[in-house]
Amino acid sequence: QSALTQPRSVSGSPGQSVTISCTGTISDVGAYNYLSWYQQHPGKAPKVIIYDVSQRPSGVPDRFSGSKSGNTASLTISGLQAEDEADYYCCSYAGSYTFVFGTGTMVTV
Amino acid sequence: QVQLVQSGAEVKKPGASVKVSCKASGDAFTSNYMYWVRQAPGQGLEWMGRLNPSSGDANYAQKFQGRVTMTRDTSISTAYMELTRLRSDDTAVYYCAKGRSSGWCDYWGQGTLVTVSS
Repeated sequence: QSALTQPRSVSGSPGQSVTISCTGTISDVGAYNYLSWYQQHPGKAPKVIIYDVSQRPSGVPDRFSGSKSGNTASLTISGLQAEDEADYYCCSYAGSYTFVFGTGTMVTV
Repeated sequence: QVQLVQSGAEVKKPGASVKVSCKASGDAFTSNYMYWVRQAPGQGLEWMGRLNPSSGDANYAQKFQGRVTMTRDTSISTAYMELTRLRSDDTAVYYCAKGRSSGWCDYWGQGTLVTVSS
């Protein structure tokens, strides 16, 4: 199972919006809506910010939104803030009770 | 509040095995799944597998099939991940995480650094 493809890095100014893509195949991203996104600050454990493509867990700001089209999922961060500077990973169900992470994207504010 | 506390850092020689523990508190241990994810230094997250604490059934990423075993002891609310035939590229921080059947994990352990070096 190959890692899902994400851009290595994206950047934006405070207040702007950035979008991170997560490209898989018809066997993972394209086949299921079990797609989550994680934010990871240096030296910390990941934190889930989106699940089931577009759902936000309690406590996650609505600046974070998710969507999917075909084999590509997207995470959009609106109104970028300094604390959003982190690594972001997508994670998709890949069938046979297995999951796969994306390659990760560094967001610079 | 769910808390996952992992065992301490380990240093192992190539070919050896390591067993990392993950003790859960604050929630029913047998609810939801226990996932294991690793992260090599400076690298991304890698999904290793998941354990159903209720049944003891586990599913593993193909890459780790035959080398990894995930188990649990419900009497002490602890999950374990054992990785055998260690190689230098198994050097990583290993995380346990409690999550839903759809794969998303809302509680994470602090991570356990496993260093494989001769």
